[in-house]
Amino acid sequence: QKEVEQNSGPLSVPEGAIASLNCTYSDRGSQSFFWYRQYSGKSPELIMFIYSNGDKEDGRFTAQLNKASQYVSLLIRDSQPSDSATYLCAVSSNFGNEKLTFGTGTRLTIIP
Amino acid sequence: KAGVTQTPRYLIKTRGQQVTLSCSPISGHRSVSWYQQTPGQGLQFLFEYFSETQRNKGNFPGRFSGRQFSNSRSEMNVSTLELGDSALYLCASSLQDRVKGGELFFGEGSRLTVL
Repeated sequence: QKEVEQNSGPLSVPEGAIASLNCTYSDRGSQSFFWYRQYSGKSPELIMFIYSNGDKEDGRFTAQLNKASQYVSLLIRDSQPSDSATYLCAVSSNFGNEKLTFGTGTRLTIIP
Repeated sequence: KAGVTQTPRYLIKTRGQQVTLSCSPISGHRSVSWYQQTPGQGLQFLFEYFSETQRNKGNFPGRFSGRQFSNSRSEMNVSTLELGDSALYLCASSLQDRVKGGELFFGEGSRLTVL
């Protein structure tokens, strides 16, 4: 069983709709959770981080964390074609980012 | 503000050779991490350096090594290259500021092909 699992996709969402990306992790001691976006041929860039159970909103993005279920998700509202990318979920066992375990990513395509 | 710079961007080696990759972090960042990215395994953590000390290490064989210099620049070395070492090697630097979330800033990567 992989430590961080994501649906590989591809996930296709109409423009303007909500895109929902999911991630589960196996280490119950995990403390920090990150979502990175990676455009094709580019390096990953941080979108959101979350430490506490519940929701965290930043613009069109909302990260949701449920430690009891070992589940973290990313919602993208009003999806835009520029949101088309691979989204990587990453988990750390501490409150920093010294050693991240990444999922293999979900490829998201926004359909105009 | 200059980003993370990795050199070389592309390189081709043959099995058995060794390779050294270089990474210059963002000015002021003292933490440098290295990741290997392949289509099948995704991003896998190699090691992390902070103030010239290796603080964390991933599950890679001893052929993979690294170091960090006093100016925070880092190098990683892979000896006795194998075909499976073909990958994109990403370097990331960080302020290690937990208040701000400790964002990792990635370089563009060094794409290694082993023939």
